[in-house]
Amino acid sequence: AQRVTQPEKLLSVFKGAPVELKCNYSYSGSPELFWYVQYSRQRLQLLLRHISRESIKGFTADLNKGETSFHLKKPFAQEEDSAMYYCALRNAGGTSYGKLTFGQGTILTVHP
Amino acid sequence: DARVTQTPRDKVTEMGQEVTMRCQPILGHNTVFWYRQTMMQGLELLAYFRNRAPLDDSGMPKDRFSAEMPDATLATLKIQPSEPRDSAVYFCASGLARNTEAFFGQGTRLTVV
Repeated sequence: AQRVTQPEKLLSVFKGAPVELKCNYSYSGSPELFWYVQYSRQRLQLLLRHISRESIKGFTADLNKGETSFHLKKPFAQEEDSAMYYCALRNAGGTSYGKLTFGQGTILTVHP
Repeated sequence: DARVTQTPRDKVTEMGQEVTMRCQPILGHNTVFWYRQTMMQGLELLAYFRNRAPLDDSGMPKDRFSAEMPDATLATLKIQPSEPRDSAVYFCASGLARNTEAFFGQGTRLTVV
């Protein structure tokens, strides 16, 4: 069974400090990993996906298959980064193709 | 700007009542997800559909919950009878099978008293 774990419910940093939101997964196949973000009073939206190897709003995430992790990082946090962040895993094959499983979420607060 | 639409936005009901939540996926999307959001569990997958057929509803309490897609433009999630522990925000999302992004609705905040 696929599973996503975000060990931190809450994370607080000061503006300008580096931030890392942790995500670990368990999945028997080759995973597709994502980060979604939910800003206050807005709907969830895709932040980035591992296959794109892109940087969005200064955030990056590297898939580490050895450690089964997909941590989200930003070198200098901004106040507007305060939000709920969800790590997600998509089943890439088999009978559950396309199944999208989320972690418990991490609330990031960036203080001025 | 195509969006997933959920109704109602808020619902307060008494324990034992039936609750129906509706979702209109983005036109052309063939995959629909239902999630429940709570502080303790995060986003739990309740059920998902492809081309209106249920693929996985293992996360859904079968005795009281049911999910259907009467047609390609409507997905429903019903709870009968509702209980206080069902209080949560319920999200619907839609996407394409070959596209990795899921688009979310604004959610239905359910309170069962």
